[in-house]
Amino acid sequence: EVQLVESGGGLVQPGGSLRLSCAASGFTFSSYWMQWVRQAPGKGLVWVSHSNSDGSSISYADSVKGRFTISRDNAKSTLYLQMNSLRAEDTAVYYCARGRYYNGFDPWGQGTLVTVSS
Amino acid sequence: QSALTQPASVSGSPGQSVTISCTGTSSDVGGYNYVSWYQQHPGKAPKLMIYEVSNRPSGVSNRFSGSKSGNTASLTISGLQAEDEADYYCSSYTSSSSNVFGTGTKVTVL
Repeated sequence: EVQLVESGGGLVQPGGSLRLSCAASGFTFSSYWMQWVRQAPGKGLVWVSHSNSDGSSISYADSVKGRFTISRDNAKSTLYLQMNSLRAEDTAVYYCARGRYYNGFDPWGQGTLVTVSS
Repeated sequence: QSALTQPASVSGSPGQSVTISCTGTSSDVGGYNYVSWYQQHPGKAPKLMIYEVSNRPSGVSNRFSGSKSGNTASLTISGLQAEDEADYYCSSYTSSSSNVFGTGTKVTVL
């Protein structure tokens, strides 16, 4: 069964850092693009970042550029999101998802909640 | 990148059809056939329903169909059922080599 499991969320103070992980199983992780998408409480989906299959092509939303870093360890089938200089507006459930734009993002993990508050 | 524009809500009775629009620009929806649609039930992760404008992943009901004209994409749900009540989001590739989601539409089954 294809599965994505996020972890690493929690409560952090403004200006702090957090690293999210997304453990993949049931497919050849190293062959797939991966995405991070977030959803603030009661709000819509917002794309955050993508990585191609070997990490050589990466992109970020303007709102996180320079503060967030996406990376992957294909040997461990794990995707990461390093989040620095966190702000209150970064509070959201963070989802990882498999796929590229032309074939959609599928599946998605269950999400991990990040709360930025003092 | 501004979010794609969707109606906040649509509703229909069981068995009816509803259509959700998704309006962007020539830099996203209008420029590429890389429009996807996602269904999200409360407290759950999104689920892919349509990709590349009109393709359904395996396992998705054929009551769901997608189309595009110019800068506007559409998702139609035919034969509306109670389990279709959820939030729906469109998504598009952009000229910035990134992705943008729609504002989301709540579908209510009356």
